[in-house]
Amino acid sequence: NAGVTQTPKFQVLKTGQSMTLQCAQDMNHNSMYWYRQDPGMGLRLIYYSASEGTTDKGEVPNGYNVSRLNKREFSLRLESAAPSQTSVYFCASSERTGRKGGYTFGSGTRLTVV
Amino acid sequence: KQEVTQIPAALSVPEGENLVLNCSFTDSAIYNLQWFRQDPGKGLTSLLLIQSSQREQTSGRLNASLDKSSGRSTLYIAASQPGDSATYLCAADNAGKSTFGDGTTLTVKP
Repeated sequence: NAGVTQTPKFQVLKTGQSMTLQCAQDMNHNSMYWYRQDPGMGLRLIYYSASEGTTDKGEVPNGYNVSRLNKREFSLRLESAAPSQTSVYFCASSERTGRKGGYTFGSGTRLTVV
Repeated sequence: KQEVTQIPAALSVPEGENLVLNCSFTDSAIYNLQWFRQDPGKGLTSLLLIQSSQREQTSGRLNASLDKSSGRSTLYIAASQPGDSATYLCAADNAGKSTFGDGTTLTVKP
């Protein structure tokens, strides 16, 4: 009954370093999403994957890349971290059969870039 | 572009009160509307999901309604408890992408 699992839970990076945030879901959902949440700015969509093999940009994609490795896994990569990328990152998944929906979220990764 | 607004941003009530949280959206062509709860430092927990063809959903002390024509949803919490203190967010889904409101932070005082 894991749902959506994100790793790591916390990370501190130096400016310019790279890292990959991992996300896996065990609900056989088609769609997966990466959001960032910042005080006063709410949840903003970075990238999403409507189905295995596809990825699309969201509202704030600059500085990020994603990989939909298989149906279960969707990773987010920061190639050269910047202080502006300090945030809490959430992965979510959703069933997209017909018009069914509803998101399940992971517990988040709290990232600090110094 | 969908815009989702939640008013008020913060609400404080005494324990036992019934209360209503509001969510409005600008694009009524939604697939569904979902309500979440977020505790400080935690992820989002889904509370209720209302499909576009539905008018309301209920779970325990929670009841969510949807009026697509007016672009509104409400979350009704009956007999509030201190454990209900959290931030409540709504999300409107348009063709596979959800737009989130900024949330209402609820404090229930014992």
